[in-house]
Amino acid sequence: GAGVSQTPSNKVTEKGKYVELRCDPISGHTALYWYRQSLGQGPEFLIYFQGTGAADDSGLPNDRFFAVRPEGSVSTLKIQRTERGDSAVYLCASSLGPSAPYEQYFGPGTRLTVT
Amino acid sequence: EDQVTQSPEALRLQEGESSSLNCSYTVSGLRGLFWYRQDPGKGPEFLFTLYSAGEEKEKERLKATLTKKESFLHITAPKPEDSATYLCAVHGSSNTGKLIFGQGTTLQVKP
Repeated sequence: GAGVSQTPSNKVTEKGKYVELRCDPISGHTALYWYRQSLGQGPEFLIYFQGTGAADDSGLPNDRFFAVRPEGSVSTLKIQRTERGDSAVYLCASSLGPSAPYEQYFGPGTRLTVT
Repeated sequence: EDQVTQSPEALRLQEGESSSLNCSYTVSGLRGLFWYRQDPGKGPEFLFTLYSAGEEKEKERLKATLTKKESFLHITAPKPEDSATYLCAVHGSSNTGKLIFGQGTTLQVKP
């Protein structure tokens, strides 16, 4: 079946601009996660959705970052007033649910470059 | 605070030369330990989940084991196509399923 998809695959933006990154999870997966991965590091948790609500946003670095999942499927990560330090690969993952624990399946990521 | 440390950071092997990757973890309550494989420019690919000390899982040339403090990923007779970064992650004290990742071990297998 189809895996997690993310668009765009690459995004180059200027410092101070606004960007949106999209994630389409595996069908039937109620849990959705956003992670950020810097070069040479493991992914770092940003935010978790169960259904439509953000159940844990403790990993968002500041209030420039915001994410939504209005219909409980597709999610959008929004970054305002981008900074060069925001450059990284943004990964989305989905799972059947938050407990069990269930395996998280990752998308290919969006590489964000802020110039 | 939940923490994961992987070693070595990088590993070079000759084809057929078996070895092990280490993942040390500190969590207040382990709910699961995960191994992922990541190829350059791609997202992590799920390999294994381990739930309790003593558990082992195998897949082709890979075998994952778990103790109360660490996990090992054993690679038997590796091939060049096993070259990738291997990531370890724990689902610990969080009720929300968020994973805490190590920094990864980059494996290169030369023919």
